[in-house]
Amino acid sequence: AQKITQTQPGMFVQEKEAVTLDCTYDTSDPSYGLFWYKQPSSGEMIFLIYQGSYDQQNATEGRYSLNFQKARKSANLVISASQLGDSAMYFCAMRGSSNDYKLSFGAGTTVTVRA
Amino acid sequence: EAGVAQSPRYKIIEKRQSVAFWCNPISGHATLYWYQQILGQGPKLLIQFQNNGVVDDSQLPKDRFSAERLKGVDSTLKIQPAKLEDSAVYLCASSLFSRYEQYFGPGTRLTVT
Repeated sequence: AQKITQTQPGMFVQEKEAVTLDCTYDTSDPSYGLFWYKQPSSGEMIFLIYQGSYDQQNATEGRYSLNFQKARKSANLVISASQLGDSAMYFCAMRGSSNDYKLSFGAGTTVTVRA
Repeated sequence: EAGVAQSPRYKIIEKRQSVAFWCNPISGHATLYWYQQILGQGPKLLIQFQNNGVVDDSQLPKDRFSAERLKGVDSTLKIQPAKLEDSAVYLCASSLFSRYEQYFGPGTRLTVT
């Protein structure tokens, strides 16, 4: 079974500062993928970044970077230079071979960016 | 490239009524997913289609929920009869194949009163 844990229900960050969103996971799959999605108030899930379990380097996409620590089973998202438009719900998700590559989501973290 | 389309965006019904949601995936995407997202929680997969066949419906409450994907393109999700606990956002997603990235639609927010 796969499990995703996001322990921060809500966070506040000042505009232009960086914020780290925590995500820990549990799986017995030797190969898996980790995702972060953003869900603004409009409701759609927007893909942000992906990290494969065998990737040697941490993934980066613009202002988003994933701090992947495989031994600790953590995949934290770092948003640099926060903008007001970053205010949204953020979900960590995992996909593995043991469940036919279905996505399992965490409970999410609400980020509010203050001006 | 057009994204995943869903309609309606919002729906309010009374309990015991029926409701249907529609999803049009990205052109060429073979895999289609329906998720239920209850307020304050992450999305939960209800059903996964590969073309017009069901791959996984293990978490679909089959006594009241049904879904179909005729011709392997559009899909509809139906609830009959609705219960209060069905109030949620219903998200549709599609991917080229099951191992590829999933793209989500804007969702349908259902309120059952």
